[in-house]
Amino acid sequence: GAVVSQHPSWVICKSGTSVKIECRSLDFQATTMFWYRQFPKQSLMLMATSNEGSKATYEQGVEKDKFLINHASLTLSTLTVTSAHPEDSSFYICSARPRTGQETQYFGPGTRLLVL
Amino acid sequence: SQKIEQNSEALNIQEGKTATLTCNYTNYSPAYLQWYRQDPGRGPVFLLLIRENEKEKRKERLKVTFDTTLKQSLFHITASQPADSATYLCAPVGSSNTGKLIFGQGTTLQVKP
Repeated sequence: GAVVSQHPSWVICKSGTSVKIECRSLDFQATTMFWYRQFPKQSLMLMATSNEGSKATYEQGVEKDKFLINHASLTLSTLTVTSAHPEDSSFYICSARPRTGQETQYFGPGTRLLVL
Repeated sequence: SQKIEQNSEALNIQEGKTATLTCNYTNYSPAYLQWYRQDPGRGPVFLLLIRENEKEKRKERLKVTFDTTLKQSLFHITASQPADSATYLCAPVGSSNTGKLIFGQGTTLQVKP
């Protein structure tokens, strides 16, 4: 149980285009989902907290207009990287916190984004 | 500001030995602390959670200790195997229950056969 999926697993796009990444909790409902970014040889950095039915909360330094987050249901959150540039190339990982209020979060497998 | 420190250098040990990884934190009063494993190109996988009022937690070959006086958690893998080779991340969590995880930089463990 407690499986989180991400789609796509990798994507290559041209500079200036927008990319949407989906995060789904497959066998549980998640009131809260989190989006992280990880650069090579570095740890995960929290980008934003996504609550179902409300606006996302962004960490300091993360542009909310560039990284659009939508949490339309208890099992799906999406991250859209708008007008992507090469510096946005990174490994994007989501996590989901079960509705039951457990402290544990379950992570997706990640999405590798390469912007040319 | 809050700071989490893990051994940045890779830890190399021989198969069968016990691996000990360290997580130190400052300017923090975590209600609990989590340990995750991350393999290259994959998302983290939850391993263990230890609360502030617990000194030690075990799960199979894994053991975690939590010393709130030293502001330190130790993560032990006994009878290590090459399959244990991965990066291990610690994440102290405050009592606000926001669920936000701030990770240490991780320690890479390499177990040699």
